[in-house]
Amino acid sequence: DQQVKQNSPSLSVQEGRISILNCDYTNSMFDYFLWYKKYPAEGPTFLISISSIKDKNEDGRFTVFLNKSAKHLSLHIVPSQPGDSAVYFCAARGDTGTASKLTFGTGTRLQVTL
Amino acid sequence: DGGITQSPKYLFRKEGQNVTLSCEQNLNHDAMYWYRQDPGQGLRLIYYSQIVNDFQKGDIAEGYSVSREKKESFPLTVTSAQKNPTAFYLCASSTDRAGSPLHFGNGTRLTVT
Repeated sequence: DQQVKQNSPSLSVQEGRISILNCDYTNSMFDYFLWYKKYPAEGPTFLISISSIKDKNEDGRFTVFLNKSAKHLSLHIVPSQPGDSAVYFCAARGDTGTASKLTFGTGTRLQVTL
Repeated sequence: DGGITQSPKYLFRKEGQNVTLSCEQNLNHDAMYWYRQDPGQGLRLIYYSQIVNDFQKGDIAEGYSVSREKKESFPLTVTSAQKNPTAFYLCASSTDRAGSPLHFGNGTRLTVT
C-alpha cells in the first residue's frame, strides 16, 4: 500500500529550464510534506518542506506547491542546473507531535542536460 | 562539524550471520531512525527511537533489532532471520519537534551472500 506515490521514475530537463517533480498521497492524515535530494551512495539531504496550512513555499530556486484537495504536491526547480541531477524523494508525515516518522515515495531521477 | 556518521560504508557478510551497523550523531537530536532503501523503492522505516532506552518498530522491523543505550548512538543488527538483508541502510535523526526534517547519514551498503 503505497501511501506516497511518485509516478514518474525519471525526468530529463535542459539546463536553464524548469523542472517539475510530482507527488501524490492517499493518506488524508498527512499534513506535513518534505522533499529530499539524494546522490548515489549518499544519504538524502533535506531540500524544502510545506505544511498543510500553506499552498506554496519558496526557497531560492526551489518552490513546493501543495493542493490538499487533490492530495498532490509538486517541486519546481527554476532554473535547473546540472548539479540538480539526482534522485528526488517526496515524503509525508502526520503532525502527531510525536516522532518525525516519514513515509517516502519511490523517487524521481532528475537529469539536467547541457 | 555536526552530523551523522554511519560505519562502515560497505559491509559484506555470509548468509546466516548477524551483523551490526553503526550510527552515531553529534547533533544532540532526541529521535533516531533506521531506513532501508532497495532499488526502485522508497525508503522504508525499520525502527525508530524518540528517547534513550525506548524504541518502536517501523513498517519492516522483522529480522532486525536495535538498542538505544545512549542519545548519540542507535546501532542496527541485521539478524539471520531477515530474508532479504542485502540493501542500502540509512540512519537519520531529528529534533522530534513537529515538522522538523530528518537529517541522514551517508548510509551503509550491506551485501549478504
